[in-house]
Amino acid sequence: GENVEQHPSTLSVQEGDSAVIKCTYSDSASNYFPWYKQELGKRPQLIIDIRSNVGEKKDQRIAVTLNKTAKHFSLHITETQPEDSAVYFCAVISSGSARQLTFGSGTQLTVLP
Amino acid sequence: DAGVTQSPTHLIKTRGQQVTLRCSPKSGHDTVSWYQQALGQGPQFIFQYYEEEERQRGNFPDRFSGHQFPNYSSELNVNALLLGDSALYLCASTFYRGPSTDTQYFGPGTRLTVL
Repeated sequence: GENVEQHPSTLSVQEGDSAVIKCTYSDSASNYFPWYKQELGKRPQLIIDIRSNVGEKKDQRIAVTLNKTAKHFSLHITETQPEDSAVYFCAVISSGSARQLTFGSGTQLTVLP
Repeated sequence: DAGVTQSPTHLIKTRGQQVTLRCSPKSGHDTVSWYQQALGQGPQFIFQYYEEEERQRGNFPDRFSGHQFPNYSSELNVNALLLGDSALYLCASTFYRGPSTDTQYFGPGTRLTVL
């Protein structure tokens, strides 16, 4: 089955700096790559996603890049703010009937004021 | 537009008991997936229901079973509870009709504690 590795597990940045979280996946047939933000005690919320026919996608301060050849994708957050502090999960959907999400292990991002 | 809802919010059970968790999908969605999220870990896929049938199952024992109703709502049942079943159980819904429509939206989860 699909295997997703996520790094780093913890990340601290100063307010205003950029943060980058990286994920690698194993199934070359994977074709959908969402990122979720989960605040303590809350549900995972989709913040951005990218499909395999696109190399980069940006939404205001958040961007995701995908390298299909190397089988890795990254989340970039610019001009970080204290409210960006949360756990971020990458996920992958492989081809197949159920389209279930396989998640990375998460990154605890702390933005220091 | 109602989002994904789950009930109950919290639940405390003892080992050996049975539990039923409930999920109502986002309006317009017909596919429900269940995930288990242990503390400090990413969600793990349990199973998915579509057209009232289990379409695919993750690596979970038969103690975990489910059901989907004609209104697309779903239940997750866990029998013979173990301490290791303590987790946040998340429901996600989608309306998958092709590669551009498989975004999954999560409910708030049910926190299950097994004593």
